Order: sequence, then C-alpha cells, then structure tokens
Amino acid sequence: AQSVTQPDIHITVSEGASLELRCNYSYGATPYLFWYVQSPGQGLQLLLKYFSGDTLVQGIKGFEAEFKRSQSSFNLRKPSVHWSDAAEYFCAVGARQAGTALIFGKGTTLSVSS
Amino acid sequence: ETGVTQSPTHLIKTRGQQVTLRCSSQSGHNTVSWYQQALGQGPQFIFQYYREEENGRGNFPPRFSGLQFPNYSSELNVNALELDDSALYLCASSQDREGNTIYFGEGSWLTVV
Repeated sequence: AQSVTQPDIHITVSEGASLELRCNYSYGATPYLFWYVQSPGQGLQLLLKYFSGDTLVQGIKGFEAEFKRSQSSFNLRKPSVHWSDAAEYFCAVGARQAGTALIFGKGTTLSVSS
Repeated sequence: ETGVTQSPTHLIKTRGQQVTLRCSSQSGHNTVSWYQQALGQGPQFIFQYYREEENGRGNFPPRFSGLQFPNYSSELNVNALELDDSALYLCASSQDREGNTIYFGEGSWLTVV
C-alpha cells in the first residue's frame, strides 16, 4: 500500500536549536517527495521538493531535506529554529505520472519554546 | 503567493444540501487536484483533472464530483452533505501531469451543521 508516515505527532524545540522532522514513505513508483508547511487556518506552502539528482535538497526558510532511498526516508532539517517556524509540517509523495495527486502524512506539529 | 485562488473562504451548509467550491489556477496550469483536510489530519486526495477530464480519483464517493473549464479554473461539487464533510478543501495545480511544482490555494472551510 502507498503511504507516508510521520512518526512524530508533536515536537517542541527551543529557539535556536536544530530540528529534524522524520518522514518515511511506501510507494510503488519512483517517488517525488515534498515537504509543505501549514500555519493555523492557512493553506499549504511548499518548503522543498525532490524529483531526482542530488539527494540533499535545499528549500526556503533555511530548510533542507535528504532523500535516502535505502531507508525510504525524506527527513526535513533546519540548523537553527526560529519562533516563526512553529506550524504544521506535512511530508507528501507523488510520482511523475501522478501529476498533482499526492499522498500526505498526518503531519507533525512543531512548537518552538523561548 | 501561489497564484491559486479559492472561493469562498468560509461557508456553512446544512446536512443534505449541496455545495460548490471554486478554484482559479495560475495561467497555463492544466492539471488540478482537490483535497479534503479534516481537522488535525493531513490532506486526502479527492480527484485530479487534466485538460478538463477526470484523471485519477481517491477513495471518495460519487457525490463528490468536479469540473475543469477551458480556462483551467475548476469546481468541486459535493451533494447530499454529511456532517463528516466538514473540512478544509484545498485546490492544487501544476503546469502539467508530469512532475512539476505543485501549488496549493488557501482553501475553503466548509462547516456542515
């Protein structure tokens, strides 16, 4: 079955500390991988995407993610978290032929403490 | 700014009624999908349209239907509304079917009472 698992429902990080959000996927085709962020009551903003090539992907707002095919993972990282990063983060998987049809994880809520 | 505009932003309907939600994509975006996001959950894929034809469907009943127009705007129609249909409905578009950046709108909040 095709699925995305985000093992951490809620993470609290101190401002200035590093962050890693985990994402594991199960997908039959060559995956396209995405991380989106959602602030309360808002739509989804694309942080970064991986289609092919370099497995370390840089995104907006200082985020990066690493694709590890052997582990079926696409973890999101940030070296120093800011209070404004508090939000809901979603990992999603799709495929070249699937267009805009994505499978999302259930999300990880990030809280930032001062 | 994603260039994907949805309307209305909020609406309240009564169980059994019908609702139409609208999405305007960026120019040239011929692929659009609709998603349902229940409170505290990730978005779930409803269906995708490519060049005005349905091109993929998730696990949603037929009372969820859609249209895509020649100008690539689209509609999501839900008939016989149920309480569980209360959710944020998101529209997503991309330039074509084969692997491009996917942009989401801000969504339409539907409450069914």
